[in-house]
Amino acid sequence: EDKVVQSPLSLVVHEGDTVTLNCSYEVTNFRSLLWYKQEKKAPTFLFMLTSSGIEKKSGRLSSILDKKELFSILNITATQTGDSAIYLCAVEAGYALNFGKGTSLLVTP
Amino acid sequence: NAGVTQTPKFQVLKTGQSMTLQCAQDMNHEYMSWYRQDPGMGLRLIHYSVGAGITDQGEVPNGYNVSRSTTEDFPLRLLSAAPSQTSVYFCASSLTGASKNIQYFGAGTRLSVL
Repeated sequence: EDKVVQSPLSLVVHEGDTVTLNCSYEVTNFRSLLWYKQEKKAPTFLFMLTSSGIEKKSGRLSSILDKKELFSILNITATQTGDSAIYLCAVEAGYALNFGKGTSLLVTP
Repeated sequence: NAGVTQTPKFQVLKTGQSMTLQCAQDMNHEYMSWYRQDPGMGLRLIHYSVGAGITDQGEVPNGYNVSRSTTEDFPLRLLSAAPSQTSVYFCASSLTGASKNIQYFGAGTRLSVL
């Protein structure tokens, strides 16, 4: 059975801190891993990772995939209150996205 | 460009009632799907479609029907609502069903079944 596990499930940090969110997976026919940010409404796309060891960056956010160890991390540096959200990891297998339960991040002033 | 549009945003049903959740996209995407999101459960796939006239079941299809008569629309039908179907429903679409395509999500429909 395909499995996507995110950790931690929730996290509270202060503005300016750096956070690392984890996503491990066990799926057959792996194709890609995606990170989404969800702020009360629709999940919005952050990154798609297909190749091991290649870092994707967008501003203060970055992510990397390790296909040998079957995990990915999402880093957020210099966190801001606007980063407060649920971060979802999803692994593409076949026609479906298998989602983890998400990490709820709260950034306090 | 509206993207993925879901209606209604909120709905309250009584047990046994039927209703249709609407989903439309204007990006000419071939692939569309429905997910439900429950607290502590993440998003789970209900049904998906790789093109007009083609649908298939996801992880949690029971109690739901879909059809895909046009590329733009992918409605989700609840024939006899049950309290276990109380959830937030998201529709998503991507260019094709092939790999490495980003799925874009609608704003969601929050459904309560009493």
